[in-house]
Amino acid sequence: GDSVTQMEGPVTLSEEAFLTINCTYTATGYPSLFWYVQYPGEGLQLLLKATKADDKGSNKGFEATYRKETTSFHLEKGSVQVSDSAVYFCALTHDTGGFKTIFGAGTRLFVKA
Amino acid sequence: NAGVTQTPKFRVLKTGQSMTLLCAQDMNHEYMYWYRQDPGMGLRLIHYSVGEGTTAKGEVPDGYNVSRLKKQNFLLGLESAAPSQTSVYFCASSSPSGGINEQFFGPGTRLTVL
Repeated sequence: GDSVTQMEGPVTLSEEAFLTINCTYTATGYPSLFWYVQYPGEGLQLLLKATKADDKGSNKGFEATYRKETTSFHLEKGSVQVSDSAVYFCALTHDTGGFKTIFGAGTRLFVKA
Repeated sequence: NAGVTQTPKFRVLKTGQSMTLLCAQDMNHEYMYWYRQDPGMGLRLIHYSVGEGTTAKGEVPDGYNVSRLKKQNFLLGLESAAPSQTSVYFCASSSPSGGINEQFFGPGTRLTVL
């Protein structure tokens, strides 16, 4: 079945450092890929998405490119801020069967001032 | 526009007790979902619904029941709570378009079963 694998956390960075959170997936066909973010005490919210190979999703300085050849969707940001401290989830969904979404285990990011 | 709301926010149960978690959305979404979040395991789908009056099992449905009597509400029931059901429960809703399913999440319910 489909699955999503993320790098284990926590990841601790200093403010203005470069961020990469790795995500790889296993799926049949051509799923849509997502990054969701969860701030402390809140539910998940969509950060960015990509629907086909070579698409780049971007939002709030974060980017991720849908790489079909490496089945990856790594999240990057050039300069993190303290306010980026959160848990980040990579996810995939197919447009069949109720659009069920498969989530990775999540990666916790701490950004120090 | 409240989005997705969940009631209650916190609850402590004793083993064997029952309870119902309520999810409500005001975005007229067709699809609704219940997930549980456990440390190191991401979110796992319990049950979902693709429309009023319909429900289906997800990845971890055992010990839970659901109902979708109204489009805007999705109820999750625990008939006889067990300590293994201690978790944070999230409800989500969506209205897939163009093959994309962006889900909107509620703030969560933290449940402890003693």
